[in-house]
Amino acid sequence: DGGITQSPKYLFRKEGQNVTLSCEQNLNHDAMYWYRQDPGQGLRLIYYSQIVNDFQKGDIAEGYSVSREKKESFPLTVTSAQKNPTAFYLCASNEIGALAKNIQYFGAGTRLSVL
Amino acid sequence: AQSVSQHNHHVILSEAASLELGCNYSYGGTVNLFWYVQYPGQHLQLLLKYFSGDPLVKGIKGFEAEFIKSKFSFNLRKPSVQWSDTAEYFCAVIGNNNDMRFGAGTRLTVKP
Repeated sequence: DGGITQSPKYLFRKEGQNVTLSCEQNLNHDAMYWYRQDPGQGLRLIYYSQIVNDFQKGDIAEGYSVSREKKESFPLTVTSAQKNPTAFYLCASNEIGALAKNIQYFGAGTRLSVL
Repeated sequence: AQSVSQHNHHVILSEAASLELGCNYSYGGTVNLFWYVQYPGQHLQLLLKYFSGDPLVKGIKGFEAEFIKSKFSFNLRKPSVQWSDTAEYFCAVIGNNNDMRFGAGTRLTVKP
């Protein structure tokens, strides 16, 4: 089955700790995205990548880092610099090139909590 | 970067009532517009999309949306809601730079 797999489903972070959220897709999509979902604020874009070895900051990139070493993988690291990391994190992907293919597909999400 | 505004945070309707959820965006170029829905405990899924052509687009489950370019709006409508439409609805826009932006979401509660 084609889709986006996020892991883990639940993650706990201690103070001062970096944690990495995994996102893998087998849809052969070029673009991948990370969003943070907080109640009443919708989805806010953290980082996105349109091609391997390249990525751009979204609206709330501070305290986060990403890499895109492979087309199918786009891991997100929540660093100790992110002072309010408790949220639901969603990964998405879509084809790019022709605008008609910009439908995003989403993973099931990772809920991150701070201990 | 583009931004998206959804006017209503929480809408409560009775079954069979008509629905209209507002969405406005700010972006000067060509955009694609979307409405996504998130049912309780489920993934975000696409409800409908506008790329070009007829500004009135129809989606799944009887939903439709109208793109009004002069008003930068893409409001979602349904003539008669059902209890099963209870969910959170997100408007989204993607521009030529491929960065998708979402609105804050509108929570719809339909009372049986």
